[in-house]
Order: sequence, then C-alpha cells, then structure tokens
Amino acid sequence: LAKTTQPISMDSYEGQEVNITCSHNNIATNDYITWYQQFPSQGPRFIIQGYKTKVTNEVASLFIPADRKSSTLSLPRVSLSDTAVYYCLVGDIAARGSARQLTFGSGTQLTVLP
Amino acid sequence: KAGVTQTPRYLIKTRGQQVTLSCSPISGHRSVSWYQQTPGQGLQFLFEYFSETQRNKGNFPGRFSGRQFSNSRSEMNVSTLELGDSALYLCASSFSGILDNEQFFGPGTRLTVL
Repeated sequence: LAKTTQPISMDSYEGQEVNITCSHNNIATNDYITWYQQFPSQGPRFIIQGYKTKVTNEVASLFIPADRKSSTLSLPRVSLSDTAVYYCLVGDIAARGSARQLTFGSGTQLTVLP
Repeated sequence: KAGVTQTPRYLIKTRGQQVTLSCSPISGHRSVSWYQQTPGQGLQFLFEYFSETQRNKGNFPGRFSGRQFSNSRSEMNVSTLELGDSALYLCASSFSGILDNEQFFGPGTRLTVL
C-alpha cells in the first residue's frame, strides 16, 4: 500500500514557480500518480497525471524520478487564484475489486501572496 | 454541459438514523465514485459504480452502501449513523473510471451527525 506524504503548507508570491513534492515510497508497479486541486466548498479538480519521467499540460508539469518514490507538481508563475489545497493520489488505474485503497496525500495548502 | 450535481448540499441527522445522498453524473459518464472527506482522515475512497455494478470498493464498513441506476445516477446510503460519519461526501463521474484524467467531482454533500 503506497502511503503518501506531502508538506502541510507552502507559501509563495505571485509570479513565482511553485514545486510541491509528494513522497510515495511503496508505490506499486502499476500505480499512477494523479494530482488534484481543491478550493474551499468545492470538489477536487484534476490537474495532471503521470507514470514516469515528465508530463506537462497547459496548467502544470509533473516530474517523476526513475525510482518513482516521489513526484513533484510544478506550477509555473502562480497567481492569487492558485491558492488552494493540492492532493496527490497514487493508485492503479486498471485495478478492480474490493478493498481498493486509493491513497490520497494529506494535502498541501498553497497560499499565494501578492 | 452541466457538471456533476449532488443533493442535498447540506444535511443534519442524529445518531442511529440513516441517510441517502444522491449524485447525478455528467451526461454520458458511466462511472460514478464516492469519497468521504474529513479533517482528520482526509480524502478517502468509498466505492465506484460502473454501468450499475459496483466495480471498486474501499475499506469502509458495510453501513456504507450505494447503487447506480440505468441512467447512471447514483445514490449512497449510510445506515446507523455515527458521529464520526460527519463529513463532506463527494461524488465524481467519468467515462472510464476512478483515475480517469477526465474525472469530475461534484460540490459535495455536507453531512452533520448530531
């Protein structure tokens, strides 16, 4: 079971690049890493997903080292509206069955300051 | 297109009662999954339904159950409520499954058990 660990909080200033790291030492071979963003009183929103190396989309990049024991979400040039809680999730996309443990991180509260 | 909707948004119950929460997925989505979010335990996966069948289940007691209808709408039921069941219950829908990169979450139902 891949337990995940994230920093509880981070502060940044507008325009800076923010990197949030999630540790998942026991990640399984078939597990993917997914990151979500959550604003107060809303459900999480998908940001990015990856298996290894680097993935980039229009809002973020995800860096996964070769041993896959951690992953780093990179948000370029953050703005005030990026203030939110960010969660990493480790799980097997294709797995089916009972007692599935999708391991969400505890979440990182990112506060972007003006 | 309309997003994932959940009803009711807020609910207050007393210990021992039961409750039913409803989730309407995005049109065309066949996967509906449920999550519990609490300050202490964070975001935890409850179960997933796909085409009216439970396909994945997390580690929750049998008091938590669900079902999915032919129109993909889903309900979650919690029987014999306990104080610890107070939480934000989120549902999410997607075309293919719980780790789909097009999984969308609803706003949640805030359940308070007194």
